[in-house]
Amino acid sequence: DAMVIQNPRYQVTQFGKPVTLSCSQTLNHNVMYWYQQKSSQAPKLLFHYYDKDFNNEADTPDNFQSRRPNTSFCFLDIRSPGLGDAAMYLCATSRATSLGQGVEKLFFGSGTQLSVL
Amino acid sequence: RKEVEQDPGPFNVPEGATVAFNCTYSNSASQSFFWYRQDCRKEPKLLMSVYSSGNEDGRFTAQLNRASQYISLLIRDSKLSDSATYLCVVNPFSSGSARQLTFGSGTQLTVLP
Repeated sequence: DAMVIQNPRYQVTQFGKPVTLSCSQTLNHNVMYWYQQKSSQAPKLLFHYYDKDFNNEADTPDNFQSRRPNTSFCFLDIRSPGLGDAAMYLCATSRATSLGQGVEKLFFGSGTQLSVL
Repeated sequence: RKEVEQDPGPFNVPEGATVAFNCTYSNSASQSFFWYRQDCRKEPKLLMSVYSSGNEDGRFTAQLNRASQYISLLIRDSKLSDSATYLCVVNPFSSGSARQLTFGSGTQLTVLP
């Protein structure tokens, strides 16, 4: 019954070694988000897609990229992970009814805990 | 000033107690408000939306005060299973950000036996 699925649940990578996290959804939601959450902190929005339109947050480092090949899938690429990128990465979806309207609730995946050695 | 501010706690309360959390937001144009619950090392899950007239779901009551720009969450008859971090979430609904929700840092609650 999982609606937003993230793989893997835990990911270990080496300093500077590119890593890709994946997210898929069965909800057919038009908006998909990637959040970064560090211990005892609020989830921080990295970017989101409204359909195919990519929206990057101003303070998201260039090291983070994203792809959304279709409605169901979204990927987070970290080109050169640093020690400071170790965090929980949360994918979420929502349904926005139109460009000018806000979204309602977010549906989160179970997250990927990234460790950088 | 942070867009969404919460008292981080921790709140340690005995079982059966009533506990309340407040959350303030800075953007008066904000339209939608939510409380999410997050267990340790798990994803946030929607607890309840917050409506202008206030709303109740079992032991949980949420209220919105637009004049003072805060929302609150009241938990009655606390259970051990209520132990979690409670995140205040606001849709700021400013231009270009209608699809982005802003999270508070969360308030940690521990219910003690």
